Amino acid sequence: GAVVSQHPSRVICKSGTSVKIECRSLDFQATTMFWYRQFPKQSLMLMATSNEGSKATYEQGVEKDKFLINHASLTLSTLTVTSAHPEDSSFYICSAMAGQGSSTSGNTIYFGEGSWLTVV
Amino acid sequence: GNSVTQMEGPVTLSEEAFLTINCTYTATGYPSLFWYVQYPGEGLQLLLKATKADDKGSNKGFEATYRKETTSFHLEKGSVQVSDSAVYFCALTLQAGTALIFGKGTTLSVSS
Repeated sequence: GAVVSQHPSRVICKSGTSVKIECRSLDFQATTMFWYRQFPKQSLMLMATSNEGSKATYEQGVEKDKFLINHASLTLSTLTVTSAHPEDSSFYICSAMAGQGSSTSGNTIYFGEGSWLTVV
Repeated sequence: GNSVTQMEGPVTLSEEAFLTINCTYTATGYPSLFWYVQYPGEGLQLLLKATKADDKGSNKGFEATYRKETTSFHLEKGSVQVSDSAVYFCALTLQAGTALIFGKGTTLSVSS
């Protein structure tokens, strides 16, 4: 079945540094990827929608300069948390949508395993 | 706006008990409805879905029926197992391929 892989699964970084999280679609081309953030015991909050080759669309309240999203290819999107602070510590989950004509179910959304970010 | 409301947890059951997790939605159009499950420390897995009114999604003994008249998509299972312990999210999308809107999640804890 379709697989979306995130890396790293866990990362600890120092306050003030930047950290990059990768989201890859392993067996299909993803025209659209979504980035969510999940606080402990809470729901997933959509951060941004990224389409390959264009700028990401950020949800209201999400700082685009802090959470840089790049969707450089049909199989890879990256989320970079710049100048991280302890309040950025969270579980970040990406999801990817298979494009039309894909061998997987078109327009179906598949989720990555998530990445735990801890800023110390 | 569009939103999903789930019953608050945690839900604590004994093995083989009947499970119901309520989910209602508000949507401007005709959404597709989903249930996702998240096991501890993992990402989300699609459990089941329904794309139109009166559709019943089912998987692994779980069922949910899309009820347009009550704007609901309640999750049920006749006999839960310890391995069903997880967080369950109800979600909707208004257009195929657009971002999912999630409920807050309901934690299910099943004891033997």
